[in-house]
Amino acid sequence: LAKTTQPISMDSYEGQEVNITCSHNNIATNDYITWYQQFPSQGPRFIIQGYKTKVTNEVASLFIPADRKSSTLSLPRVSLSDTAVYYCLSWDSGGGADGLTFGKGTHLIIQP
Amino acid sequence: GAVVSQHPSRVICKSGTSVKIECRSLDFQATTMFWYRQFPKKSLMLMATSNEGSKATYEQGVEKDKFLINHASLTLSTLTVTSAHPEDSSFYICSARDLAGQLNEKLFFGSGTQLSVL
Repeated sequence: LAKTTQPISMDSYEGQEVNITCSHNNIATNDYITWYQQFPSQGPRFIIQGYKTKVTNEVASLFIPADRKSSTLSLPRVSLSDTAVYYCLSWDSGGGADGLTFGKGTHLIIQP
Repeated sequence: GAVVSQHPSRVICKSGTSVKIECRSLDFQATTMFWYRQFPKKSLMLMATSNEGSKATYEQGVEKDKFLINHASLTLSTLTVTSAHPEDSSFYICSARDLAGQLNEKLFFGSGTQLSVL
């Protein structure tokens, strides 16, 4: 079973900031939060990863509160090309050999 | 970042034939690779974990005799769909783990293989 819960779908408009929240109430101490983006008929693409507080890279920010039971992916000024499925995952990225268990993801639709 | 190459990207075959899909880590060594299957508008489903030099570990409900996995080197894992049938038609995706890499990203995905069985 997936260890995360996120909205099935979201809509927004070009130029807006989009925040996608993910719940991971049973996150383990060694787990990191990782977000992937997937376009149709393509493999998932890494967006960002964090353990706690805030992480920012050139495409997104990730906010993780102190209790780490949830996280928020923030996409600044989205464009039409950001329409995709976004997966939030909680996993031990630094060790173990377990494969990632994907939840249903959030289908983000950006409109003009 | 690291690259995982998956081939072929698309394959069409007749029912009863076998199809081999290759997954290569191009610039890192991957002792562990993962195989996923994805049906239209559905999420990725982990099928098996491929370990270099040892037998693969299959998820519950995945037939090991149907989906043969070979991980003979640190950069190559193959998935063979044996005696394929139309219900095996799906999008197959591999991923490889780069634990030695310095990047924050540790798991890299191939571009996927669309299998269509007629």
